[in-house]
Amino acid sequence: DAKTTQPPSMDCAEGRAANLPCNHSTISGNEYVYWYRQIHSQGPQYIIHGLKNNETNEMASLIITEDRKSSTLILPHATLRDTAVYYCIVRAFGDYKLSFGAGTTVTVRA
Amino acid sequence: GAGVSQSPRYKVAKRGQDVALRCDPISGHVSLFWYQQALGQGPEFLTYFQNEAQLDKSGLPSDRFFAERPEGSVSTLKIQRTQQEDSAVYLCASSRAGSTDTQYFGPGTRLTVL
Repeated sequence: DAKTTQPPSMDCAEGRAANLPCNHSTISGNEYVYWYRQIHSQGPQYIIHGLKNNETNEMASLIITEDRKSSTLILPHATLRDTAVYYCIVRAFGDYKLSFGAGTTVTVRA
Repeated sequence: GAGVSQSPRYKVAKRGQDVALRCDPISGHVSLFWYQQALGQGPEFLTYFQNEAQLDKSGLPSDRFFAERPEGSVSTLKIQRTQQEDSAVYLCASSRAGSTDTQYFGPGTRLTVL
C-alpha cells in the first residue's frame, strides 16, 4: 500500500535545477515527508524532511503544498554526482520504519 | 566521523549454507535497523533494535533469519540454510536516539546465493 507516487524516471541537465515531484494525497496530519537518495551500489542517503513548512538545507529544498497532498524536492544546481534513485517517503511521528517505494531514477546529463 | 559500516561487502553462498552479516553502527547510536533490498526495488524493513533489545522483527521473512545486538552496539544478521530467494542487498541503518530520528545507512552487504 504505497503512500507516495513518484515518476519512475527523469532526466535533468547539469547545472540546472532539478525538480522532483511526489504525490501523497492520503497523508495525515502527523505524517512527515522524507526524501532519501541512493547512488548506485551505496546505501540510502538522507536528504531532507518536513511536516508542512518548506525546508532548505545544504543539499536541497523541500516545497510542500498547502494542502500537503504533494511536494517537490529541488536540487538547485544538479551535478553528475546527483545521479541516483530518489525516494519520497511518508512517515508518521513515532513510526520507526521507513517504507521505500520504487523511487524516481534521476539521471543528470552533461 | 565514521559512518555505518558493514561487512562483508559481498558474500557468495551456496544454497543451504549459513551466513552472518555484520553491522557497525555510528558510535553512540541507540537505534539500529536492518533492511533488505531486492534487485530493482526499494529497501524493505526487516527488524529494529533499541540498544540490545529487539523491539520489532516483523519484517524478517522466515525463521531462518535471526538478528542480534548483544551489547547494544554491533549487530549481526544471520541467515540459516540460505535459499536463492535470499539473494539481495542487506542494509543496516542507525539513528542517534529516538527511533524516529534520522536513519543513516551503511553501504550494504550484497548476498548472492547460488
